[in-house]
Amino acid sequence: DAGITQSPRHKVTETGTPVTLRCHQTENHRYMYWYRQDPGHGLRLIHYSYGVKDTDKGEVSDGYSVSRSKTEDFLLTLESATSSQTSVYFCAISESGDINAKNIQYFGAGTRLSVL
Amino acid sequence: AQSVTQPDIHITVSEGASLELRCNYSYGATPYLFWYVQSPGQGLQLLLKYFSGDTLVQGIKGFEAEFKRSQSSFNLRKPSVHWSDAAEYFCAVGAGILTGGGNKLTFGTGTQLKVEL
Repeated sequence: DAGITQSPRHKVTETGTPVTLRCHQTENHRYMYWYRQDPGHGLRLIHYSYGVKDTDKGEVSDGYSVSRSKTEDFLLTLESATSSQTSVYFCAISESGDINAKNIQYFGAGTRLSVL
Repeated sequence: AQSVTQPDIHITVSEGASLELRCNYSYGATPYLFWYVQSPGQGLQLLLKYFSGDTLVQGIKGFEAEFKRSQSSFNLRKPSVHWSDAAEYFCAVGAGILTGGGNKLTFGTGTQLKVEL
């Protein structure tokens, strides 16, 4: 299994509070991604990173920010959590950006976030 | 824009029976196709992938999938299901490159498989 650790695994928070989720990898992969998983929607890309300090938005980025100060860590921040951000969040990594065997995305175990 | 449809939300099969999970995609060019499996409380594990070449691809755990361009499909199959196969299965299409590289994956909504003993 790819060395991906997400923390925390579970979190309950209140509306309006800031929340930071962490993704840590030991594979030295260049690309990292944050997805959210919701019933009836599958997984949707929030933000991704293509290198240290290089990030860009995905399809559902509103209300989220990210940072990557080290290759191994990719942080997802909910600036002011809302109930609509209750979801399961997955981090993924990939070695390459090319369309080849090295561009497989490997997923962490997920963080279940509840915003009350 | 690309899209993926998994028409079956839930499927129930008996242990030992054959399985086929359907996946249809929409994309203008040759897609890169994936099947992932998610066991309860776990992340997604890659079952198999299609990039090019032979349209019948083999994966882990005895699964296979066939790419049919004419039908825009990439159905997942297993000849004999085991109780441990109960999980949620996601089809995904890698279609397009994100800024800076990285493969843009679009996922289907998933099919929940239940296995009856």
